[in-house]
Amino acid sequence: DARVTQTPRHKVTEMGQEVTMRCQPILGHNTVFWYRQTMMQGLELLAYFRNRAPLDDSGMPKDRFSAEMPDATLATLKIQPSEPRDSAVYFCASGLATTPQYFGPGTRLTVT
Amino acid sequence: EDQVTQSPEALRLQEGESSSLNCSYTVSGLRGLFWYRQDPGKGPEFLFTLYSAGEEKEKERLKATLTKKESFLHITAPKPEDSATYLCAVQVVVLTGGGNKLTFGTGTQLKVEL
Repeated sequence: DARVTQTPRHKVTEMGQEVTMRCQPILGHNTVFWYRQTMMQGLELLAYFRNRAPLDDSGMPKDRFSAEMPDATLATLKIQPSEPRDSAVYFCASGLATTPQYFGPGTRLTVT
Repeated sequence: EDQVTQSPEALRLQEGESSSLNCSYTVSGLRGLFWYRQDPGKGPEFLFTLYSAGEEKEKERLKATLTKKESFLHITAPKPEDSATYLCAVQVVVLTGGGNKLTFGTGTQLKVEL
């Protein structure tokens, strides 16, 4: 049963610290998405990649967020420095041009 | 700007009481409309994709329909295990570059009681 995996599942950190979230997309999927979910804003697209190349990162605060795909099996989302307003659940999803997006279980981030 | 609006925000049903959830959209060109189910503490789980007005998809007690302005998720004789947040999302036609991204509504929180 192919699934998207994300680590860590929970992260509590102090303001100003660097946070790195990791995602392993479903094998064979060439498009990877990063979303943030909060009660106030719902699901927001931060960035996405196709064939490891960034296609759109307009939803991401550029000064503190960065997203990369070092290889086809790993996507990372970094926040440096983190702020309390970054507290949210971060989801990774993967898919193909002809398939829906399949979501991982999320990383719940709390910045104190 | 693409917009997706879901209603109601929350819905409480008795077991067996059928109802419908609404997703209205305003987009420049619809490529597909997606329904997802999200349980607390989990990621959204894919349910259906609809591509053209008049299309319908069914899965167990759920049926999704699509018109040119909105989609409905009909729940027939719901059970407590159908309790979840139901999200709809639209994918729009993009002439160049990537075209997979989804714009989500804020969801309908469904609670089915015994």
